Parts: sequence; structure tokens; C-alpha cells
Amino acid sequence: DTAVSQTPKYLVTQMGNDKSIKCEQNLGHDTMYWYKQDSKKFLKIMFSYNNKELIINETVPNRFSPKSPDKAHLNLHINSLELGDSAVYFCASSQSGTSRLHEQFFGPGTRLTVL
Amino acid sequence: GNSVTQMEGPVTLSEEAFLTINCTYTATGYPSLFWYVQYPGEGLQLLLKATKADDKGSNKGFEATYRKETTSFHLEKGSVQVSDSAVYFCALSDTGGFKTIFGAGTRLFVKA
Repeated sequence: DTAVSQTPKYLVTQMGNDKSIKCEQNLGHDTMYWYKQDSKKFLKIMFSYNNKELIINETVPNRFSPKSPDKAHLNLHINSLELGDSAVYFCASSQSGTSRLHEQFFGPGTRLTVL
Repeated sequence: GNSVTQMEGPVTLSEEAFLTINCTYTATGYPSLFWYVQYPGEGLQLLLKATKADDKGSNKGFEATYRKETTSFHLEKGSVQVSDSAVYFCALSDTGGFKTIFGAGTRLFVKA
């Protein structure tokens, strides 16, 4: 009964390849996110989707393309991988609205290593 | 724009020491404030939260009070344990909840 799940947990690939990371949440939330965490643990928002609509795109290279087939899923596809893409990628979800709770639930992360 | 500043780490303490991790914020309106914790090899998880001025969030012996006059949300614990070793993130959420701003994280090491 994992709340936010991601696959794969580890991803090792060569420069120039294309790869995807999948995320699913079973919390009934309407908002999902992708974050990138670098080696110094700095967490940077990449994308946010609300009810399958893109609402935040934080100047991420267009090699990164998120796709949200429904409210429970937000996948991340990366084209032409570069060395600098090596990081841990976290998916998260939350419920928007006026409740002022807005806490985010994070997946376990996907460690991407580009060789 | 909104921002969160927290003290740089690492912070190294002996078991049973008192912990303070400072966090200040800049925001328009009335954001909600959070502390998240990340244990090694895991994703972030919510530690505590506060949604309005003077609210105190608490969990697992940790506390933080929403201070609007000083725009702060400092994390405290009276007696840390080795198992508290982790990275702690201060964060704020805008009114609509679509975007959460995270601080840079503070790594805590607790020695036995």
C-alpha cells in the first residue's frame, strides 16, 4: 500500500540514451511533482501538474518531458542524456486547495547515473 | 518571490544534546510552513507543519513555532538521538498549494 511509488529505483545508462522514470500515487491527490536532488542534497523543483495540467515548468531543458496520463500518474522522459543529468529524481504528490495543509508525499527516489 | 533560508550544515552533536536548526523565510501572503526530514537512501517525509502565525508544530520530540514577526520557523529538539541523523529541510507552501519552496537542507550527525 505504498503511497507514492517510482520505478526504477536505480538507472545506469550511457550518455546520449533516452530513458523514462514512472511515478504513481494512490492517495487521491490532484497535484504531482518532479524534483531533482543533486549530490549536495539541494532539491530543485522541475515540474508540477495539477489535474493533469502542467502548472510549473522551472526552466528545465526541453530534453525533459513529463507526461501525466491521469491524476495518479506522472512520468518523466529524458532524451539525449548528459553527464549533468546524474542525480536522484523524486516524485511527490499533494492536495491543492484552501485547506492550507499542502504537505507533500515523496516517493523513494530514482538514482540516475549517466556514464 | 518566496524563499527559504536555513543554516548551513553539517551540524554535529553528541547524543542527548539540544538541537536548533534555524530557518527564515520571505513570502507574500500567509504561507504554510513545514519541516521535512530525509533519512539516508530515502525520500523526504513530513516531520511537522504550521499553517498560521504562532502555531506550534510538533512531532517525535521536534518542535517549531511559526513566528510571523521574525519570519522564522526554527526547528528544536531537547535531546537528540543517533537515529535523528538525517538531512532536515525547511519549506513553505504558497496559498494555493501548487508550489512548495524548500531550503537547501541541513545535515545533522548525532554521535553516540
